Amino acid sequence: GESVGLHLPTLSVQEGDNSIINCAYSNSASDYFIWYKQESGKGPQFIIDIRSNMDKRQGQRVTVLLNKTVKHLSLQIAATQPGDSAVYFCAENSAAGNKLTFGGGTRVLVKP
Amino acid sequence: DTAVSQTPKYLVTQMGNDKSIKCEQNLGHDTMYWYKQDSKKFLKIMFSYNNKELIINETVPNRFSPKSPDKAHLNLHINSLELGDSAVYFCASSQAPQRGGAQYFGPGTRLLVL
Repeated sequence: GESVGLHLPTLSVQEGDNSIINCAYSNSASDYFIWYKQESGKGPQFIIDIRSNMDKRQGQRVTVLLNKTVKHLSLQIAATQPGDSAVYFCAENSAAGNKLTFGGGTRVLVKP
Repeated sequence: DTAVSQTPKYLVTQMGNDKSIKCEQNLGHDTMYWYKQDSKKFLKIMFSYNNKELIINETVPNRFSPKSPDKAHLNLHINSLELGDSAVYFCASSQAPQRGGAQYFGPGTRLLVL
């Protein structure tokens, strides 16, 4: 199989607990943010996005919070399930042409 | 009903060879992208095309040449492959090139250069 990114920060969470994944972004001019989920051997999968005129957005079992003052983004996953085990990336859109800049990723491991 | 597809999924080749990776999207999107993901999972954009026109060209060796025959296809040709080219290459698409559009990724092509 492919490399599993052994140097990634890892969040271990008990099944059923809530998970919080944090991301610091670099460009104060960024006005659009996306969270992606990448399972082993697959491409990044869109989870949820948020624009800079909002500070919170909710989806199904996921919530994204944006704090522009400290340039911080978080993804909350409610009632974490084994299928949530993956690497999660935040991405910011900070330039013309819809160029996304990705963060380094956080691996989430769900313990049964 | 695959949205963004890539071929091949795996590509193992010798240094110095030339290879191509193909990408197709059936989402009706106008913009397509190529990303490279290294062994530490870091994802970085390489190119972006909008309706067959190049709009993003990051600092990528000119051995890499994207080609877009139509807006549903964006292929990546790599000349004179080097060991450092080993990575996973992802194609993505979005509805428009303007800021603030979600990008949807293909399953990736795992390239190993020996």
